[in-house]
Amino acid sequence: SQQGEEDPQALSIQEGENATMNCSYKTSINNLQWYRQNSGRGLVHLILIRSNEREKHSGRLRVTLDTSKKSSSLLITASRAADTASYFCASAAGNTPLVFGKGTRLSVIA
Amino acid sequence: IAGITQAPTSQILAAGRRMTLRCTQDMRHNAMYWYRQDLGLGLRLIHYSNTAGTTGKGEVPDGYSVSRANTDDFPLTLASAVPSQTSVYFCASSDPGGLSFFGQGTRLTVV
Repeated sequence: SQQGEEDPQALSIQEGENATMNCSYKTSINNLQWYRQNSGRGLVHLILIRSNEREKHSGRLRVTLDTSKKSSSLLITASRAADTASYFCASAAGNTPLVFGKGTRLSVIA
Repeated sequence: IAGITQAPTSQILAAGRRMTLRCTQDMRHNAMYWYRQDLGLGLRLIHYSNTAGTTGKGEVPDGYSVSRANTDDFPLTLASAVPSQTSVYFCASSDPGGLSFFGQGTRLTVV
């Protein structure tokens, strides 16, 4: 399987805390993307970071990419109960389809 | 703006029956995909199409077929359903920048 891996598989935090999720992938990439999935819904893309970028911000989201370690992290700052969802990383290489990891289930407790 | 529309939203299907899951997009994206999502296994690619008239196999293609007669439609067919095909199926398309857009999924139960 070419799937990447997210770590941890599940994360439970208090509202207001920061949440960090990590992702590892297996091949050289053009970009890495993070998606969010609310229970019973489709995935929604959050942020894309290109292979020549090391860090990217979008609102309360911060993504880092370390191509030497084939890893990425997603940081959600000042988490809210509405951030409760599953988060997936997906790696993109050439014209091949995205390869998704297995996801991290985040629970933010109010 | 509809984006990706999947039908049906859920289905209970007898084993051995044939079933087609429908997927339509209105974004004129060339690339489309079918994934299945199972607990603990994440999303696995079944088939994909980079442009109308072409298709390719993903990680778990066995038991499934697709066609891409035009840009908008990408149906997924189970020729003879088996219980292991019980899953949630997602159709997606991607824009030229590589961002993917997903449908709301079809929950299929094969009994």
